[in-house]
This record gives sequence, C-alpha cells and structure tokens, in this order.
Amino acid sequence: NAGVTQTPKFQVLKTGQSMTLQCAQDMNHNSMYWYRQDPGMGLRLIYYSASEGTTDKGEVPNGYNVSRLNKREFSLRLESAAPSQTSVYFCASRYRDVRGETQYFGPGTRLLVL
Amino acid sequence: RKEVEQDPGPFNVPEGATVAFNCTYSNSASQSFFWYRQDCRKEPKLLMSVYSSGNEDGRFTAQLNRASQYISLLIRDSKLSDSATYLCVARYSGNTPLVFGKGTRLSVIA
Repeated sequence: NAGVTQTPKFQVLKTGQSMTLQCAQDMNHNSMYWYRQDPGMGLRLIYYSASEGTTDKGEVPNGYNVSRLNKREFSLRLESAAPSQTSVYFCASRYRDVRGETQYFGPGTRLLVL
Repeated sequence: RKEVEQDPGPFNVPEGATVAFNCTYSNSASQSFFWYRQDCRKEPKLLMSVYSSGNEDGRFTAQLNRASQYISLLIRDSKLSDSATYLCVARYSGNTPLVFGKGTRLSVIA
C-alpha cells in the first residue's frame, strides 16, 4: 500500500493564480482531511470529508474549495492564491475500528505564493 | 482560544534523561486522546493513543486526567532519535475531526 499520497510536493504560485492539490489514499478509509501547518500555528483543519459525497468546513476554510471525487481522492483547490496561503498542506485519512483509530498523513505539499 | 494547549518548548535534554510533556484540553466532553510525533519537515505520525487507565509502550507512558483535563507523555531513557515535535491531540466525539495542539519540540543531546 502506498498509504496517503499527495501531489505536487512543491509549488510556487504568483498571487491570483489557481491550483489544485491532489490527495489519494489506497486504504479504503471513509474520512479524509486537509490541513495547513504554519510556524507557531500548528495544524489547522481546512476542510474534511467524513464519507464519500460529503464535505464540511474546518477551522480555516476561506479561500479554499474541496472535492471528494470518490472514496480514494480528496482534492483541495485554491481559486485565487494569496501570500497568506503560503504554507505546508497535509492531507490525511482516518482508520477506525473497535480497538481505536489512526490518522494517516501524506508527505505534504509545500506551497509558496509570491 | 486553542482547544488543546501545549508548552511549545524546546525541551533540550541529554541522552538517557526522562522528560515529561503535559497538555491541557478545554472541551470536557472530549472522548479520545492521542500523541502524534512529527519529525522535522515530515508528516505527523501516531505515537500512541491515551487510555483512561494510562498506557505504556516501551519507554513511552501516556496518562489522562479527566478531572483536571490534562494529558501527559513521559519518555524514559531518551534517545537521540526521540528528537521531534510531539503533538497532543483530542477528539470531541466519534466523528468530529481531531483537534491538534501546536506541539512541543524535544531535542535530545548527546
């Protein structure tokens, strides 16, 4: 299993440009998440999808949109990038059973908006 | 106000030392608790879940105090490889997203 994969690994954008961050998991997990991580701010939830066909806002959704394309894929779109969106973006999926749960993270996308 | 609060550190300790991190959570209805570890420029990974009765995994011991709403992580016999940021995490209920603290940075020095 590849786990959670993210593309691209790095991206530089100019203010106003758009882009889509791709995330896929091959573990058949229902729930998927998008976070951003900034120095001193910790991990902040942008959007999540509890199951295929549903999406919900997290703590910092402004400036972003998401699509849960199918059970495997959950994409994050920046329609008009701003320097404040410079960050490291992590996608995650959640495994849960009677014994407990684990959230698996992708390797991250480092985004710089100039 | 962040719902999960941690001392950011850094904690600089010599190899072999015992180090403890505490974390407080604001939502008394929180049900599940975890410690995640994040290495520099890497993704977070689950270190251990925290159970009401406390639990141990090798050199790591996690404790939960519901009355005082805090969680602790104890690392015994610290190794250089333990150097990382440790994230305290809580979940309010079964399907709500995890709430992450900002992390506590640990540096173990030879």
